[in-house]
Amino acid sequence: EDQVTQSPEALRLQEGESSSLNCSYTVSGLRGLFWYRQDPGKGPEFLFTLYSAGEEKEKERLKATLTKKESFLHITAPKPEDSATYLCAGTQGGSEKLVFGKGTKLTVNP
Amino acid sequence: KAGVTQTPRYLIKTRGQQVTLSCSPISGHRSVSWYQQTPGQGLQFLFEYFSETQRNKGNFPGRFSGRQFSNSRSEMNVSTLELGDSALYLCASTVGSSSYNEQFFGPGTRLTVL
Repeated sequence: EDQVTQSPEALRLQEGESSSLNCSYTVSGLRGLFWYRQDPGKGPEFLFTLYSAGEEKEKERLKATLTKKESFLHITAPKPEDSATYLCAGTQGGSEKLVFGKGTKLTVNP
Repeated sequence: KAGVTQTPRYLIKTRGQQVTLSCSPISGHRSVSWYQQTPGQGLQFLFEYFSETQRNKGNFPGRFSGRQFSNSRSEMNVSTLELGDSALYLCASTVGSSSYNEQFFGPGTRLTVL
């Protein structure tokens, strides 16, 4: 069964303290690995798509990387406004559904 | 460009009733997917429509159904509501294939079943 597992479930950081979120997947024939950010009471907001091992993408303080078994979301010098739940999801070739992990709730304290 | 819109934003129903939720995708997007989000299970895929045809379906009972209209707008229906159906229902749209293209989510409909 296709699965996406995120760790840790929750992470508290001080402003400026860099860290990484992990997303491991067992999606056979992975087509795309997606990262989303979700704020309370809102729908997920798209961040990145990664398609092949070794690929990296950056946006402001965030950098997403992909290996054959997992993806990392690196957060450099986070700010309180980066506080949110970060979700990763995978898609399988021939399937149009996203399989989501349960997310990592990130809190950045000033 | 307007985003994905969902109506209503909030709903309160009682057990046994049925409910219809609506989703208008981003203009030009032909694929619409529906997800259920709960604290325990996270985001779970319900179904996906493309050009009025259901392409994929998740592991939900037949009480959950959907459809898509020629203008790409979509509705989902839940019949005989149960307490466990209380959740945030999210709709997402994409240009073509969801396997490759990012999905854009609406704000969701919060359904409470009493």
